[in-house]
Amino acid sequence: AQTVTQSQPEMSVQEAETVTLSCTYDTSESNYYLFWYKQPPSRQMILVIRQEAYKQQNATENRFSVNFQKAAKSFSLKISDSQLGDTAMYFCAFMKEGGSNYKLTFGKGTLLTVNP
Amino acid sequence: EPEVTQTPSHQVTQMGQEVILRCVPISNHLYFYWYRQILGQKVEFLVSFYNNEISEKSEIFDDQFSVERPDGSNFTLKIRSTKLEDSAMYFCASSRGNQGYGYTFGSGTRLTVV
Repeated sequence: AQTVTQSQPEMSVQEAETVTLSCTYDTSESNYYLFWYKQPPSRQMILVIRQEAYKQQNATENRFSVNFQKAAKSFSLKISDSQLGDTAMYFCAFMKEGGSNYKLTFGKGTLLTVNP
Repeated sequence: EPEVTQTPSHQVTQMGQEVILRCVPISNHLYFYWYRQILGQKVEFLVSFYNNEISEKSEIFDDQFSVERPDGSNFTLKIRSTKLEDSAMYFCASSRGNQGYGYTFGSGTRLTVV
């Protein structure tokens, strides 16, 4: 079974600064996908960024980028130029490749507060 | 942009009552899911549904739970006899089946059992 660990329950950052959220995972699979989801106060789960494990290049989506270290089983999220609207709970998630079920395994989340 | 729609947004029910949570997935999606998030805790997988049958379910998804896709558009989660510990946010999600793209989640139904 896969496990996802987010060791930072809460973090804060000043507006316009950069923050990095940590995520580690444990799996015996060699092919898989990793995701970061954002859950603002509205409670909806929004996909922020995704990474295929077979790709060495780190994914980037505008101000969001990841540092994927496959050997270390680490998948951190960097938010640049933080904005007030980035305040949310951030969940790291794992999905095994293949099979007929695409189940996501989530970490416990990191509550990020962006301060003005 | 297509959305997954969940209704109601909030439901309060008496312990022991049956509840049905409703979801309308994105129309060309093939895989459907229910997840649960107890307040302040992580999001947990309940069940996945493909080709009109359950493809996987978690240990949480016991005999009190069932899912149905009654009319080709709606996807429902039924809890037969609610318990206090069923109080949670329930998220429906759907995907096309291209794994690397993740899912689209609905806005959730907050279920409160009193």
